[in-house]
Amino acid sequence: DTGVSQDPRHKITKRGQNVTFRCDPISEHNRLYWYRQTLGQGPEFLTYFQNEAQLEKSRLLSDRFSAERPKGSFSTLEIQRTEQGDSAMYLCASSLTGQGAGGSYEQYFGPGTRLTVT
Amino acid sequence: AQKITQTQPGMFVQEKEAVTLDCTYDTSDQSYGLFWYKQPSSGEMIFLIYQGSYDEQNATEGRYSLNFQKARKSANLVISASQLGDSAMYFCAMRAPRNTGNQFYFGTGTSLTVIP
Repeated sequence: DTGVSQDPRHKITKRGQNVTFRCDPISEHNRLYWYRQTLGQGPEFLTYFQNEAQLEKSRLLSDRFSAERPKGSFSTLEIQRTEQGDSAMYLCASSLTGQGAGGSYEQYFGPGTRLTVT
Repeated sequence: AQKITQTQPGMFVQEKEAVTLDCTYDTSDQSYGLFWYKQPSSGEMIFLIYQGSYDEQNATEGRYSLNFQKARKSANLVISASQLGDSAMYFCAMRAPRNTGNQFYFGTGTSLTVIP
């Protein structure tokens, strides 16, 4: 399977604990995105990497959130001091750099990590 | 500001019939891309179709077509010959680099139910 993979698929944690999620993109994709999706909503952009450089961060990404993509391959998203409001599905997606209008090819999404903070 | 608007929270369609899911967008960028994704109950987002702002013809992918009306800023998804497996959430998304950077903006989605 050469799709986007995420680990773990489910995570239950207590408020105040730190959690880390991993995303492995499609190998030839240079762009990697993190999104958060809550029930009844579309995915909300969190951050974006091109190769190893983190080029954009949403205002949604508070200082408790940090993301890395150290070698331009897999990425990790860490949430420190989790709060109940962090409970959501965290989605990772990857894409190639496109030349067409909008400057990007379609993104391919992983299965997501569902976080529950109790 | 809302970039993508999907006004139909839920839609029903009879099996084998066609259905149109609405999407309007807001951008001042001349170069942008519009995307539709399907999210079944399993949760994974599945890419369906892409329309570039400079494309003169509507995009088609199998049973999916995108009715692109640039002046109206609409990008409606048409699913022909609906199948039971089409029951899912459908999201419209936009990327407009000059206006919104590299972010993809998603709408709130439309839940489609195909009735046997």
